[in-house]
Amino acid sequence: AQSVTQLDSQVPVFEEAPVELRCNYSSSVSVYLFWYVQYPNQGLQLLLKYLSGSTLVKGINGFEAEFNKSQTSFHLRKPSVHISDTAEYFCAVSPSNFNKFYFGSGTKLNVKP
Amino acid sequence: DSGVTQTPKHLITATGQRVTLRCSPRSGDLSVYWYQQSLDQGLQFLIQYYNGEERAKGNILERFSAQQFPDLHSELNLSSLELGDSALYFCASSADRGGMNTEAFFGQGTRLTVV
Repeated sequence: AQSVTQLDSQVPVFEEAPVELRCNYSSSVSVYLFWYVQYPNQGLQLLLKYLSGSTLVKGINGFEAEFNKSQTSFHLRKPSVHISDTAEYFCAVSPSNFNKFYFGSGTKLNVKP
Repeated sequence: DSGVTQTPKHLITATGQRVTLRCSPRSGDLSVYWYQQSLDQGLQFLIQYYNGEERAKGNILERFSAQQFPDLHSELNLSSLELGDSALYFCASSADRGGMNTEAFFGQGTRLTVV
């Protein structure tokens, strides 16, 4: 079985500061990893994904994430956040041999001026 | 625009009633997923259909049911509604073709309010 843990339910940060949103997962099989963003009153939008290859993945809006197999982590980072990045961020995993998505509980990023 | 269409966007109904939420997946996507998002439970996986067949079941109540039709659109039926069923219901779809796993694309959701 797979599970996803997002350690921080809320992350406050000032504009232009760096941010890291943490995601850890557990799985008995190899997985694909995803980060989604949800703006208020909207659906989830894919930020980035790791399927294979380079462990550093770049996504939209200047976000990147690094897959660390030994630590079973897939942390999301941005070197300088904007007010418009205020949203909820979800980490998800999917077994590589089966299309099913397991989501974390979400992290609310609040960017302050 | 993700290509996944959900109707209606908003729904207000009384306790004890039955409603149907509709989802049209992206063109050609075979898998459809339903999720419930509430403030206290977060994003909960309900059920997945693949090419018309149920593939995986999550935390779906017996009062809830779903189906996927030959044209691949899906409906989620919620019956004997309770106040606690008030939530955002999301549909997502993925290609799920040829063993290649891909990301899920989400619709804008249906906000259900039970009064």
